[in-house]
Amino acid sequence: QQQVKQSPQSLIVQKGGISIINCAYENTAFDYFPWYQQFPGKGPALLIAIRPDVSEKKEGRFTISFNKSAKQFSLHIMDSQPGDSATYFCAASRGNTGNQFYFGTGTSLTVIP
Amino acid sequence: DAGITQSPRYKITETGRQVTLMCHQTWSHSYMFWYRQDLGHGLRLIYYSAAADITDKGEVPDGYVVSRSKTENFPLTLESATRSQTSVYFCASSDWEDSDYFTGELFFGEGSRLTVL
Repeated sequence: QQQVKQSPQSLIVQKGGISIINCAYENTAFDYFPWYQQFPGKGPALLIAIRPDVSEKKEGRFTISFNKSAKQFSLHIMDSQPGDSATYFCAASRGNTGNQFYFGTGTSLTVIP
Repeated sequence: DAGITQSPRYKITETGRQVTLMCHQTWSHSYMFWYRQDLGHGLRLIYYSAAADITDKGEVPDGYVVSRSKTENFPLTLESATRSQTSVYFCASSDWEDSDYFTGELFFGEGSRLTVL
């Protein structure tokens, strides 16, 4: 059973547009929600993360929106650039249990020049 | 160079053979993890280790064996490879701040692509 559900599976956006990737979870014990970015041939790397005590976190062009009541969170990439083309994974974990990281299935983003 | 390195990066083997994927980290992180990445499944945890000589199963441990005699190394062994184990394998490490609130970031290696014929 997928603990974290991610959509869409793939996304094509024009340069300068907004990319939006959505994730949903069921386990209310989750209290850490990171997004990882993966370029072809590389390992995933932490992009941005949020905790449930805030509804939004912004770092440059990347924003996480978090809706605790709906158990959903999303990644928004403003002014998308070709260099943003990568696979994005959302994840969730519970407290100090590093073995309890649950990843979404990934979204392949292509930004067209 | 500091970081986490995996070897080999690419491996082709045959069904029934034993394969060992190596992982080495230079940060002295407490935790190390093995994930497999498959299309449609994302990243799934195979095994993890909280410290030297402490290992535990993750979500998909069947067919895999791990050991951790030294903090910096965490090899993953497929004792008798099967075609369903064709995948990209990622090693990761992490350390925790001493607090009640999880703050660890996972640091991934570049992956080992394994093909089982």
